[in-house]
Amino acid sequence: TQLLEQSPQFLSIQEGENLTVYCNSSSVFSSLQWYRQEPGEGPVLLVTVVTGGEVKKLKRLTFQFGDARKDSSLHITAAQPGDTGLYLCAGPNTNAGKSTFGDGTTLTVKP
Amino acid sequence: DAGVIQSPRHEVTEMGQEVTLRCKPISGHNSLFWYRQTMMRGLELLIYFNNNVPIDDSGMPEDRFSAKMPNASFSTLKIQPSEPRDSAVYFCASSHRDRRGSQPQHFGDGTRLSIL
Repeated sequence: TQLLEQSPQFLSIQEGENLTVYCNSSSVFSSLQWYRQEPGEGPVLLVTVVTGGEVKKLKRLTFQFGDARKDSSLHITAAQPGDTGLYLCAGPNTNAGKSTFGDGTTLTVKP
Repeated sequence: DAGVIQSPRHEVTEMGQEVTLRCKPISGHNSLFWYRQTMMRGLELLIYFNNNVPIDDSGMPEDRFSAKMPNASFSTLKIQPSEPRDSAVYFCASSHRDRRGSQPQHFGDGTRLSIL
């Protein structure tokens, strides 16, 4: 069974601070996705990382895929209240057609 | 482009009643997923379809839950009879799968279900 563990589970910071959240596994994934879910809405895809060591940037968000494709991180620079939400990582199960989701990191950015 | 469309957005009903949740996937997507999300258990996969055929229903809690996909543009999740512990947010997601693998899933906004 491929599992994804996310840490921290909860994170509360002040506007302007930087933060990093993590998504770790003992299994290799062909790719990993990061989603953000805001209250009352479904998860929205932010990015997919595919190549080991890959770094992708989305404005103030930087996503990195581990060299061994077993882990990923999301770094937010100068967090804003609009970044508040549940951040989920997910990876496709090998040959199964479905994905494994982590339990998420709930981020609160206070103004 | 229209995303995944779910209805209703909210449902409140009494224990024992039948509940039907509906989903319209993104056009061209051939995989459809039903999830349940709660604070305690996070996002749980209930069942998924590929090309309208149920592939894995191991996450369906019990026989009270059933799902159908009569065509590529419509799916239902039915709970009969409903119980208070079924209260949760139910999400539908769709993606495209080909021989290279599965593309990322796109989620609807969910149905918030409350069973009294």
